[in-house]
Amino acid sequence: EAGVTQSPTHLIKTRGQQATLRCSPISGHTSVYWYQQALGLGLQFLLWYDEGEERNRGNFPPRFSGRQFPNYSSELNVNALELEDSALYLCASSLGGGAVRETQYFGPGTRLLVL
Amino acid sequence: QKEVEQNSGPLSVPEGAIASLNCTYSDRGSQSFFWYRQYSGKSPELIMFIYSNGDKEDGRFTAQLNKASQYVSLLIRDSQPSDSATYLCAGGESGGYNKLIFGAGTRLAVHP
Repeated sequence: EAGVTQSPTHLIKTRGQQATLRCSPISGHTSVYWYQQALGLGLQFLLWYDEGEERNRGNFPPRFSGRQFPNYSSELNVNALELEDSALYLCASSLGGGAVRETQYFGPGTRLLVL
Repeated sequence: QKEVEQNSGPLSVPEGAIASLNCTYSDRGSQSFFWYRQYSGKSPELIMFIYSNGDKEDGRFTAQLNKASQYVSLLIRDSQPSDSATYLCAGGESGGYNKLIFGAGTRLAVHP
């Protein structure tokens, strides 16, 4: 069974541009999560989508946004890129449905470099 | 501010020894805890999850949870050089919002 997939693997942008990152969850999973892992820092929660709706959001500015499609895949958009947005962006998925104890499985990540 | 704290290491152990990784958390309502392994440049890989007080064993790995002390640990028996990685402890935030709060990770080095 395929795991979480993400594209692209690497993305190079310049300051002020927009970046779009994509994620496909494990088959049967309806929840998708986005995390940012900047160099030398821990994973920071960005967004949680379930059944097409944004359910929770971390402490990031509004220029970080996303959406979930009917097939449960998801897109993360980062507008007006800043140098400090350079990081590994990780997508995770879980079964969803609102269960309290959800195990999240991570994709390989997209490494974003902002020049 | 809900936090998960880990010693950054590196924790250096000889091959075959037991590696003990520890984590404390501040969110008293947290009900689920996870250990992930992350090799350099790779994404986190789930090792174990634990919800109840006590020990949970899976092969060479044992997770321990003490909710009263807000403490989670991971023991790795018969450590192998391939276990050398950063181990991330994460707690599920209380309130049912599915957010995982991660520690900064402990770097483990197993030397032959």
